[in-house]
Amino acid sequence: DVKVTQSSRYLVKRTGEKVFLECVQDMDHENMFWYRQDPGLGLRLIYFSYDVKMKEKGDIPEGYSVSREKKERFSLILESASTNQTSMYLCASSPNLAGGDTQYFGPGTRLTVL
Amino acid sequence: QKEVEQNSGPLSVPEGAIASLNCTYSDRVSQSFFWYRQYSGKSPELIMSIYSNGDKEDGRFTAQLNKASQYVSLLIRDSQPSDSATYLCAGTRGSGAGSYQLTFGKGTKLSVIP
Repeated sequence: DVKVTQSSRYLVKRTGEKVFLECVQDMDHENMFWYRQDPGLGLRLIYFSYDVKMKEKGDIPEGYSVSREKKERFSLILESASTNQTSMYLCASSPNLAGGDTQYFGPGTRLTVL
Repeated sequence: QKEVEQNSGPLSVPEGAIASLNCTYSDRVSQSFFWYRQYSGKSPELIMSIYSNGDKEDGRFTAQLNKASQYVSLLIRDSQPSDSATYLCAGTRGSGAGSYQLTFGKGTKLSVIP
């Protein structure tokens, strides 16, 4: 079975802190994604990566950056957390470069910024 | 027009009935379509994928795709209370790097009444 893990299920941070959210997949997938999910807004893509050290902006990249130094690991960084970044963050991975292959989701990290 | 649109519901059906979930999409979305189920507080899990016009059946689930009408649906036969969840419709965007991305509807909440 595909397994996508995220470093924390719940996280509470203060405004202005630097926050790291880690995601690891164990299926050698090329593609990895970071989403946030908010009530009424659905799932929105923040960043994705289709190869090591490669990254592409999604729909809402402002205030975020990412890092992918190894194929299995994709990190989301909030350089200076703000209260409007309180959300559920979901990581996903998929095995192929073309055609829209199935994405597999991690359990999510619920981040609260105070 | 939003890329993927769903009726937010809630959709209530009695146990044993057929639940019909619908989704329309814009010209920016193409190729592949997916239905995910998301229980409250959990991450999305794949139910069905469909790539070509017509019906695709898997157990109690049938996905239908009509590319001419830009319409995707999910039928759940013999609905069970355990089917109560939010159902997310997703499609791939374009081709090339865009085809790595999924764009999601906001989801339809289904309640199956015992």
